[in-house]
Amino acid sequence: QKEVEQNSGPLSVPEGAIASLNCTYSDRVSQSFFWYRQYSGKSPELIMSIYSNGDKEDGRFTAQLNKASQYVSLLIRDSQPSDSATYLCAVNGGITGTYKYIFGTGTRLKVLA
Amino acid sequence: ETGVTQTPRHLVMGMTNKKSLKCEQHLGHNAMYWYKQSAKKPLELMFVYNFKEQTENNSVPSRFSPECPNSSHLFLHLHTLQPEDSALYLCASSEKLAEYNEQFFGPGTRLTVL
Repeated sequence: QKEVEQNSGPLSVPEGAIASLNCTYSDRVSQSFFWYRQYSGKSPELIMSIYSNGDKEDGRFTAQLNKASQYVSLLIRDSQPSDSATYLCAVNGGITGTYKYIFGTGTRLKVLA
Repeated sequence: ETGVTQTPRHLVMGMTNKKSLKCEQHLGHNAMYWYKQSAKKPLELMFVYNFKEQTENNSVPSRFSPECPNSSHLFLHLHTLQPEDSALYLCASSEKLAEYNEQFFGPGTRLTVL
């Protein structure tokens, strides 16, 4: 079983719609969760971190965490073509070490104009 | 710009060459990391440094040799690499080693081994 699992996509949404990106993780004691955006040929850029169950909003982005279900998601409201990128989920603080990020393979998002 | 710089941005080398990658962070962070990103694979952690001391070597082959002279600079020395080592090499930094710490990445070095 993969430690951090994401659907590779592509996930295609029309401009202005809500994009929903999902991530599941296997280490039950994981404590912190991160979403990164990576444009083709570029490095990952931190979008949000979330540490507690529930929702966390930042502009058009909302991260949702459910530790009981070992599930974290990212919602992008009013999606724009410039949001087209690969979104990486990262999990930290599990039994493998408090500083060791485990990344998923990413979900490719395509926002259609 | 995230405050983490890497040079060179692109590197082509033969299997017998020796080269070095450089990373510098201007964020006042104390922890630095090397990652490898290959196509279709998740980011792989290679090395971790905390206050310039190595705290993690993630079973990386000895042809990769890290060096951290201070908390702001990190190097990755490369020698006798293999074609399968071709990848994007990313440096990252965080304020400290802890569960709740955000890592910030540099732009990466695209390495091609011929």
